Amino acid sequence: DGGITQSPKYLFRKEGQNVTLSCEQNLNHDAMYWYRQDPGQGLRLIYYSQIVNDFQKGDIAEGYSVSREKKESFPLTVTSAQKNPTAFYLCASSIYKTGRATEAFFGQGTRLTVV
Amino acid sequence: AQSVTQPDIHITVSEGASLELRCNYSYGATPYLFWYVQSPGQGLQLLLKYFSGDTLVQGIKGFEAEFKRSQSSFNLRKPSVHWSDAAEYFCAVGARGNAGNMLTFGGGTRLMVKP
Repeated sequence: DGGITQSPKYLFRKEGQNVTLSCEQNLNHDAMYWYRQDPGQGLRLIYYSQIVNDFQKGDIAEGYSVSREKKESFPLTVTSAQKNPTAFYLCASSIYKTGRATEAFFGQGTRLTVV
Repeated sequence: AQSVTQPDIHITVSEGASLELRCNYSYGATPYLFWYVQSPGQGLQLLLKYFSGDTLVQGIKGFEAEFKRSQSSFNLRKPSVHWSDAAEYFCAVGARGNAGNMLTFGGGTRLMVKP
């Protein structure tokens, strides 16, 4: 079955440490996204990528970094510069069409807790 | 830039009763509109979408939504709610000419169903 796989489902990090969240898709989608979800705030865009080896900052990119070396993979690193990293992180992908939005398909999420 | 408002943070309905979840958007032209549902600790699943044409769109699980340009709204409805509909619901908007294809989400409405 095609889909998006995020791992791990739960992640604990000590303050001051970097941590990387994995996102893999086999939908052959060009575009991939990382969203952060906090209670009552909906989803906020961290980074997005339309094509391999290219990515753009979203609304809340500070303290995060990404790479897109393969079409299927879009890992997110939460760095020690992120002041409040405890949240639920969602990866998504979509077909990329010039000049229009398309529906996004989501993974099951990773819950990151800083201890 | 586009934005989405879901005025109701929580809604409680009795099983079998009808449901309407409100969504208002801000965008200068006709947007692309989506409704997603999220069960606790899970990713988002697409319920329905509006791109153009008929303003009443049908989705999965018996849901429908109506696009009203004059009110900048895209409210989600269901004639008879089931206990399994308890979840969080997100409205999202995508802009035409959106270089990144990304969606902007509302803050969500948590639906509780009374037996």
